[in-house]
Amino acid sequence: AQSVSQHNHHVILSEAASLELGCNYSYGGTVNLFWYVQYPGQHLQLLLKYFSGDPLVKGIKGFEAEFIKSKFSFNLRKPSVQWSDTAEYFCAVKGGYNFNKFYFGSGTKLNVKP
Amino acid sequence: DVKVTQSSRYLVKRTGEKVFLECVQDMDHENMFWYRQDPGLGLRLIYFSYDVKMKEKGDIPEGYSVSREKKERFSLILESASTNQTSMYLCASSSQSRSSYNSPLHFGNGTRLTVT
Repeated sequence: AQSVSQHNHHVILSEAASLELGCNYSYGGTVNLFWYVQYPGQHLQLLLKYFSGDPLVKGIKGFEAEFIKSKFSFNLRKPSVQWSDTAEYFCAVKGGYNFNKFYFGSGTKLNVKP
Repeated sequence: DVKVTQSSRYLVKRTGEKVFLECVQDMDHENMFWYRQDPGLGLRLIYFSYDVKMKEKGDIPEGYSVSREKKERFSLILESASTNQTSMYLCASSSQSRSSYNSPLHFGNGTRLTVT
């Protein structure tokens, strides 16, 4: 079965700092990759997704992610975070023997200090 | 706009009660999912369904069952609620049509269930 690892459980940054959140997955075949964000008290929203083509994917609110197939990684980045980016971030992978299933990482809580 | 609606935002039930969590989507999606979200554990798949009356166990199906009698509705049933089922339950849907092969998951707002 697919497994997804997010290495940072809790990240604290000051505004304007750069952000990188790690995500690694285990399945080596064809995958679709996603980052979701959950703002306090809100439902999970799609931040960005990758399925083919350019491995550098741009999403909403200035976020981007890079797919590195050789490293089974899909790290999320933002050059300059804002207080409003305070949220929990989840990496998700769709792939494996059942391509309809989505597998999630354990999440990373980001606190941005104003 | 895509909409996934969960019938209750908060529920409080007693140990041993039978609990129904309802979810409806309006996108004509084939796939529907139930996850539970717990701090530090992320989202864990309980059950999913890829068609009416079809279901498949996820990673943590014990103590749960599901029902999908209509395409737009997917119900999660706790046959006899226990305190370790206190959690946030998330319903989601996605398309499996060829044109939407890379369809992401669309989530509902969640139901926070407390079993006392």
